[in-house]
Amino acid sequence: AQSVTQLDSHVSVSEGTPVLLRCNYSSSYSPSLFWYVQHPNKGLQLLLKYTSAATLVKGINGFEAEFKKSETSFHLTKPSAHMSDAAEYFCVVSGLIYNQGGKLIFGQGTELSVKP
Amino acid sequence: DAGVIQSPRHEVTEMGQEVTLRCKPISGHDYLFWYRQTMMRGLELLIYFNNNVPIDDSGMPEDRFSAKMPNASFSTLKIQPSEPRDSAVYFCASWPGRNQPQHFGDGTRLSIL
Repeated sequence: AQSVTQLDSHVSVSEGTPVLLRCNYSSSYSPSLFWYVQHPNKGLQLLLKYTSAATLVKGINGFEAEFKKSETSFHLTKPSAHMSDAAEYFCVVSGLIYNQGGKLIFGQGTELSVKP
Repeated sequence: DAGVIQSPRHEVTEMGQEVTLRCKPISGHDYLFWYRQTMMRGLELLIYFNNNVPIDDSGMPEDRFSAKMPNASFSTLKIQPSEPRDSAVYFCASWPGRNQPQHFGDGTRLSIL
């Protein structure tokens, strides 16, 4: 069975400081992992994806995530937060079994606040 | 690429009325998913289609909910009769398959009074 746990429901940072959003996953086979961002009244936008290539994945808007199999983690980071980064972030796992049809398992989300 | 298009963006209706939500997936994507998002339950998969055929509807809450995909460019999610507990944001997403990400529409915010 697959599952995703986002360790913080809310993270608050000051503008210009680093961002760390934590995610742990559970999967009995090699997963595809994604981070999505959701701004208010908008759909989910893909930030980055891991699909068994490089373990350090770079995404849009300066975000990156590192896949650590030994720790079953896929934490999202950004060196310097911007006010426009304030949003909700979802860590997502997808199985590679074709009969799963790409069903996604969503974490509960982390709300990121950025203070001026 | 226009992305996944959902309509309406907002819907307010009274309990007991029929509600129809619409989705146009990205051309060439063989899979289409319907999700519901609430504060209490987060994002839930309701149903998904592959090549217009429903594959898994185990997430559909009850018989009041139905979904169709008459062709590759259009899908509907219908609630009849609607109830206040159906109030949520409903998202449609399309997927080209394999290791690619799903692409989400901007959602329909549904309020049942």
